[in-house]
Amino acid sequence: GPKVLQIPSHQIIDMGQMVTLNCDPVSNHLYFYWYKQILGQQMEFLVNFYNGKVMEKSKLFKDQFSVERPDGSYFTLKIQPTALEDSAVYFCASSLNSQNTLYFGAGTRLSVL
Amino acid sequence: GQQVKQSSPSLTVQEGGISILNCDYENDMFDYFAWYKKYPDNSPTLLISVRSNVDKREDGRLTVFLNKSGKHFSLHITASQPEDTAVYLCAAGPNSGGSNAKLTFGKGTKLSVKS
Repeated sequence: GPKVLQIPSHQIIDMGQMVTLNCDPVSNHLYFYWYKQILGQQMEFLVNFYNGKVMEKSKLFKDQFSVERPDGSYFTLKIQPTALEDSAVYFCASSLNSQNTLYFGAGTRLSVL
Repeated sequence: GQQVKQSSPSLTVQEGGISILNCDYENDMFDYFAWYKKYPDNSPTLLISVRSNVDKREDGRLTVFLNKSGKHFSLHITASQPEDTAVYLCAAGPNSGGSNAKLTFGKGTKLSVKS
């Protein structure tokens, strides 16, 4: 089936540094999402993105977070600066339209030291 | 508090038996209900979903039951097989402007099917 790719699977970063998480969504999809899962907790919605704009974001999407998809390439989540509480697995997802199935990546585990 | 709850963190079933996974939710505005399957270090994959205008949907060995008045939905897997062993995540979302994307997930139930 359709695949969403997230590379690398694990990133380690020092607190205060900037990190960019990359997502390669399904090629013809138009909607893009990030979810965050802290260890032992459920996956939580962060943000969705369509037509170059953030459509909705949750309280977890702090001011230090930003998303973009320049030139139809990777869909990225940038955190600048990182904090210890940003340590989590971040799942990217994409869908063809707003009512269609979400396809998730396998996640990137971010460890902030 | 948790808006979507899976009260059983784990479930063990004998091969050939029925696996029943349960999910409770709090938000009356939820209109879309889904079950995802996840293997370790892999992506959550949609198994089956329903909208609130139906109370049951079958797809092969899978059946979703929705009880809107009780704010509860469940996944039944008949003829359970060892390859059904995985974490099952329930999710629910509102029908706000046609978007089902702002999903709220449960913590998951780890299903083990023993042969």
